[in-house]
Amino acid sequence: EDQVTQSPEALRLQEGESSSLNCSYTVSGLRGLFWYRQDPGKGPEFLFTLYSAGEEKEKERLKATLTKKESFLHITAPKPEDSATYLCAVGGYGGSQGNLIFGKGTKLSVKP
Amino acid sequence: DSGVTQTPKHLITATGQRVTLRCSPRSGDLSVYWYQQSLDQGLQFLIQYYNGEERAKGNILERFSAQQFPDLHSELNLSSLELGDSALYFCASSPRERSGANVLTFGAGSRLTVL
Repeated sequence: EDQVTQSPEALRLQEGESSSLNCSYTVSGLRGLFWYRQDPGKGPEFLFTLYSAGEEKEKERLKATLTKKESFLHITAPKPEDSATYLCAVGGYGGSQGNLIFGKGTKLSVKP
Repeated sequence: DSGVTQTPKHLITATGQRVTLRCSPRSGDLSVYWYQQSLDQGLQFLIQYYNGEERAKGNILERFSAQQFPDLHSELNLSSLELGDSALYFCASSPRERSGANVLTFGAGSRLTVL
């Protein structure tokens, strides 16, 4: 069964304090791994797609990396506006019928 | 604005009632997906339509149904509502048939409260 586990559930950082969010996954043939950002009361907003182990992508203070079993979202020198819930999702060839399976998210709070 | 439009934004109803949620996909997108988000379960895939045809089913209850119309908008019908159906319901769209390798664009969601 395709599965996604994110840790930690919640993370509190001071402004400028770098850290990483983890996404562990089990999938029958990975089509893609996705990171989304969700602000309170809003829909998830796409950040990155990773397709193969070793791939990395960056956007401003965020950098996503992928291995065969997990992905990390590194946040460098975060600012209060980075506060949000970060969702990881995988798409596979197996039981999920190719549709995305989401983790429960990591709620990030960045204090000034 | 993501380009995916969902109505209504908020809905309060009673147990046993029926409601319809509406979604207009982003221009050019042929696939529409419905997801349910509750506090304890996270985002759960319900159902997908591609160009009017049902393509995949997830954890959708028999009390729930959906359809996609010729103009590509979609409706999610929830009937015999229970307290546990209270959740955020998101619609997403993508250009292609399978989401596994493609980016989904989400709407702002419809918040359903069942009293």
